[in-house]
Amino acid sequence: RKEVEQDPGPFNVPEGATVAFNCTYSNSASQSFFWYRQDCRKEPKLLMSVYSSGNEDGRFTAQLNRASQYISLLIRDSKLSDSATYLCVVNKYGNKLVFGAGTILRVKS
Amino acid sequence: EAGVAQSPRYKIIEKRQSVAFWCNPISGHATLYWYQQILGQGPKLLIQFQNNGVVDDSQLPKDRFSAERLKGVDSTLKIQPAKLEDSAVYLCASSFLLAGRAGELFFGEGSRLTVL
Repeated sequence: RKEVEQDPGPFNVPEGATVAFNCTYSNSASQSFFWYRQDCRKEPKLLMSVYSSGNEDGRFTAQLNRASQYISLLIRDSKLSDSATYLCVVNKYGNKLVFGAGTILRVKS
Repeated sequence: EAGVAQSPRYKIIEKRQSVAFWCNPISGHATLYWYQQILGQGPKLLIQFQNNGVVDDSQLPKDRFSAERLKGVDSTLKIQPAKLEDSAVYLCASSFLLAGRAGELFFGEGSRLTVL
């Protein structure tokens, strides 16, 4: 089983739609969780951290379910500029970050 | 503030040749990472340094890959001899270890390697 698993997509959605991605992780001792965004042929950039209580940043909401070992990312009111690959990242321990393979989002007008 | 610098941006070599990539992290960042990203996959950690010491190199193919971070600042990743399956983007990242910000890595633009 992979340490971090994501649905590769692509998720094709119209502008204004709400879309959600899930990510599962295998190590129950994992300490912290993040979503990174990667545009085509660019480097990954931190989108948001995922806290136990859930957190929201504008149109983006991230949640953590430790019991089921998954994290989620919800994007509301999708914009064309949201088209990218979303990488789920798990900090196993000691700042050792494991990346998922990513979920591709395509927002169409 | 200057970001993570990497060079070269692109490199094309034939199999069995050697190649070296250079990375200069953000000033003051103690931790430096080299990731390999094959097309369609997520970044895979090759090696992690804290200052000039190796924290994790468990996934570094040590028969052909080597990396060093002399003086705890910039770093070099070398591949010798290269294989076709080494074709990938090599991403360097750095982070400033601080409680609560452990997951914020700052990546360079990457070095895209093609092995023919």
